[in-house]
Amino acid sequence: GQQVMQIPQYQHVQEGEDFTTYCNSSTTLSNIQWYKQRPGGHPVFLIQLVKSGEVKKQKRLTFQFGEAKKNSSLHITATQTTDVGTYFCAGLTGGSYIPTFGRGTSLIVHP
Amino acid sequence: KAGVTQTPRYLIKTRGQQVTLSCSPISGHRSVSWYQQTPGQGLQFLFEYFSETQRNKGNFPGRFSGRQFSNSRSEMNVSTLELGDSALYLCASSLVSSGGADTQYFGPGTRLTVL
Repeated sequence: GQQVMQIPQYQHVQEGEDFTTYCNSSTTLSNIQWYKQRPGGHPVFLIQLVKSGEVKKQKRLTFQFGEAKKNSSLHITATQTTDVGTYFCAGLTGGSYIPTFGRGTSLIVHP
Repeated sequence: KAGVTQTPRYLIKTRGQQVTLSCSPISGHRSVSWYQQTPGQGLQFLFEYFSETQRNKGNFPGRFSGRQFSNSRSEMNVSTLELGDSALYLCASSLVSSGGADTQYFGPGTRLTVL
């Protein structure tokens, strides 16, 4: 079945440093979604990427979808303590209703 | 619109018991999915219901079951609880009509502890 691998599992950064998490799928995806889960909270939708090579920005967050539509990344510039949480990617294949979630990357920001 | 609600928020059971969790989706959302989240396994898909029918199923034993009512509210049941069933159970609703995936809106979850 489809697998979505996400690395790294954990990332410690000093406040102000950049952060990137990577997501790789074993199969070509129709689209990919990103979610953020704060400690003690539930996953919250951030964005969806659909087109090959697509790049989207949300303030300090930059999301990319690979040309082959098998990988994606989330980059945060100048992290803040409010960025703390676990970031999940979730990939969908054509005709699938349910995304396959990666294991997530937990971001820890040290002030 | 009100978000996805789940009850109860916390639950403590003992091995061998059964439990029923409830989820009310966002108004107008017809798809309800259930996930199990544990520190070791991450977010694992249990099943998805659409228009009262189970449309997708994850790789969980038959002790895990669910259903959806005509108002789209959903319940999941776990019978013969095991220690390993301790987890956060998340419900997510989405606005899926004729097909294709849409954003999953998660509820706050039910924290189940099995002693």
